[in-house]
Amino acid sequence: KQEVTQIPAALSVPEGENLVLNCSFTDSAIYNLQWFRQDPGKGLTSLLLIQSSQREQTSGRLNASLDKSSGRSTLYIAASQPGDSATYLCAVRNSGYSTLTFGKGTMLLVSP
Amino acid sequence: ETGVTQSPTHLIKTRGQQVTLRCSSQSGHNTVSWYQQALGQGPQFIFQYYREEENGRGNFPPRFSGLQFPNYSSELNVNALELDDSALYLCASSWSLTGEVGEKLFFGSGTQLSVL
Repeated sequence: KQEVTQIPAALSVPEGENLVLNCSFTDSAIYNLQWFRQDPGKGLTSLLLIQSSQREQTSGRLNASLDKSSGRSTLYIAASQPGDSATYLCAVRNSGYSTLTFGKGTMLLVSP
Repeated sequence: ETGVTQSPTHLIKTRGQQVTLRCSSQSGHNTVSWYQQALGQGPQFIFQYYREEENGRGNFPPRFSGLQFPNYSSELNVNALELDDSALYLCASSWSLTGEVGEKLFFGSGTQLSVL
């Protein structure tokens, strides 16, 4: 059974800092991995999707890497802004037919 | 904007009652899945529908049931509500069943259900 763990559970940083969020998963035979952002009481917004054959994906100030063999992914946020404050969720898909297994998320607070 | 809308946004029910939550997917999205997200937790998969048939179910009892309609709308029904059913319920849609390369899931904003 796939299990996804995210560290840290919460993170508070001043504006402008670069930061790294971590995600680990127990079954390395994944199909893809997706990072989501969730604002309080809201739905999920997809940020980046990395296929199992890829090593990283970039979108603006966000960069996600994937090391399938070690069961790890990181989300790097450059030059953080208060608007980045949200919960970030990592989710893995084990096959094309399976659904997503989520971690519990990292709650990020960026202070002005 | 994900193109996935859910209604209602908030709902309060009492234990033992029944509830129906609704989701409207993007046109052409044949797959819809439902997730339950308890406070402070990641979403948990409930079930998935593809072209109006259930195609996968998580570890949820039969009192959780669903329907998907040809017009890309769907429902989640929960009977005999329990206090632990209080959560944010999310629906997600995609075009394919198999999650073709690079295809993302699009989530709605969710329905916050409180069971008293």
